[in-house]
Amino acid sequence: QVQLVESGGGMVQPGRSLRLSCAASGFTFSSYDMHWVRQAPGKGLEGVAYVRFDGGKTYHADSVKGRFTISRDNSKNTLYLQMNSLRPEDTAMYYCARERARWSFDHWGQGTLVSVSS
Amino acid sequence: IQLTQSPSFLSASVGDRVTITCRASQGISRSLAWYQQKPGKAPNLLVDAASTLQSGFPSRFSGSGSGTEFTLTISSLQPEDFATYYCQQLNSDPITFGQGTRLEIK
Repeated sequence: QVQLVESGGGMVQPGRSLRLSCAASGFTFSSYDMHWVRQAPGKGLEGVAYVRFDGGKTYHADSVKGRFTISRDNSKNTLYLQMNSLRPEDTAMYYCARERARWSFDHWGQGTLVSVSS
Repeated sequence: IQLTQSPSFLSASVGDRVTITCRASQGISRSLAWYQQKPGKAPNLLVDAASTLQSGFPSRFSGSGSGTEFTLTISSLQPEDFATYYCQQLNSDPITFGQGTRLEIK
C-alpha cells in the first residue's frame, strides 16, 4: 500500500537549517508530482513547495522562497525539503503529499514537526 | 486563486444536515477537492473532482459545484464526522486551500 513517511523535524534556533525527508513506498514514486504542505499550530493548511515527477519543475510559496528548496531523488524514492534561515513563523507540522494528476492530494504522510525557537 | 470557506465554524447536532460552502476567486472548473482532518492526524481526501466521493467514506457525504461555488454536504451527522474540513483548488498554480471549517458537536 502507499506509504509516505516524513522525518528530519525537530527543535531548532532561528537562522539555522533543517532537511526534511519523505520516504515513499508502495507506488511508482517517479511517476507522481509531490508536495510539502505545512500546518502551524491551530492553523490551516499551507502549500509550501511542489516538485514535478521528474524534478524538472519546482514551485515554492512566497513565504519560503529563497530559504527553502524542494528536491527529490527518484532512485531513492525520497522527497526532500531543505529549510535554511528558519524563522519562528516556520514552526509547523510538515506533511508530504502525493498529487493525483491535478485532482487531489490522495496520500499524505503522518507529518514531522518543526519548531523554531530561541 | 483564493478560496473562501463558510462558515469557518459550525456547531451542529448528531443527525443534522450540514452544508459547507467554498467559493473561488475565479473559475476553477471542477478542480476542487475536500479533505477531512481530525485532531493530531493528517488530512484525509474526502472528495475530488468536486463530487467524487472517495472509498471509505459513507454516502452521507456529497460534494457538488463547478466554476466558483462548491458545497460539501453531510446529510445526517454522525459522531465521527466532527472534524475540520478544507477545500483545495488544483486548477491553477499555486494550489491553494480554503481556511477550513471546524465542525463541532452542539
